[in-house]
Amino acid sequence: SQKIEQNSEALNIQEGKTATLTCNYTNYSPAYLQWYRQDPGRGPVFLLLIRENEKEKRKERLKVTFDTTLKQSLFHITASQPADSATYLCAPTSGGYNKLIFGAGTRLAVHP
Amino acid sequence: SAVISQKPSRDICQRGTSLTIQCQVDSQVTMMFWYRQQPGQSLTLIATANQGSEATYESGFVIDKFPISRPNLTFSTLTVSNMSPEDSSIYLCSVEARGTNEKLFFGSGTQLSVL
Repeated sequence: SQKIEQNSEALNIQEGKTATLTCNYTNYSPAYLQWYRQDPGRGPVFLLLIRENEKEKRKERLKVTFDTTLKQSLFHITASQPADSATYLCAPTSGGYNKLIFGAGTRLAVHP
Repeated sequence: SAVISQKPSRDICQRGTSLTIQCQVDSQVTMMFWYRQQPGQSLTLIATANQGSEATYESGFVIDKFPISRPNLTFSTLTVSNMSPEDSSIYLCSVEARGTNEKLFFGSGTQLSVL
């Protein structure tokens, strides 16, 4: 069955450093992959989408890579700020209508 | 973008009762989805709410337990029926707004606790 793995342990980093979050998937070949941010008590918010034919995508301080050989996506936040503290969810998707399957998420804590 | 209003934001219910959650969108949308997020877990898709026809349920979810209505393109309800403590979870409505290229917008969720 399809499986998505994100680091279950929280990632703690110092303000100004680069945070790198990992998303691994097995048993399927997603056509694209999305990243979402979720704050406590709120629904997820879309951040970035990367397609299988794209190696890298950037948006302001965010960068996402997609390695279909390794079956992995890396999500980077450069010059991290305490306001970046949240849980980040990945959703590799096979396609069809938008039926997203999410990883459990990784909690990021950025300390001043 | 799409603005989603979800009600109630939280509720505490007794075992054996039912709760209906409402989802209102500020624009017409084609696709509406209901997710469940159990503590420390990922979001799990319950069903796709289809306008004018029966909802499409994912494996492990049935209409008798989670009846869904979608009377128009801006509104849907999810009912959690005959609740048990195992139904304690966050329930989230989401939509794919037209022209947004596959991304989803989510409501703030309903935090349900069943005693």
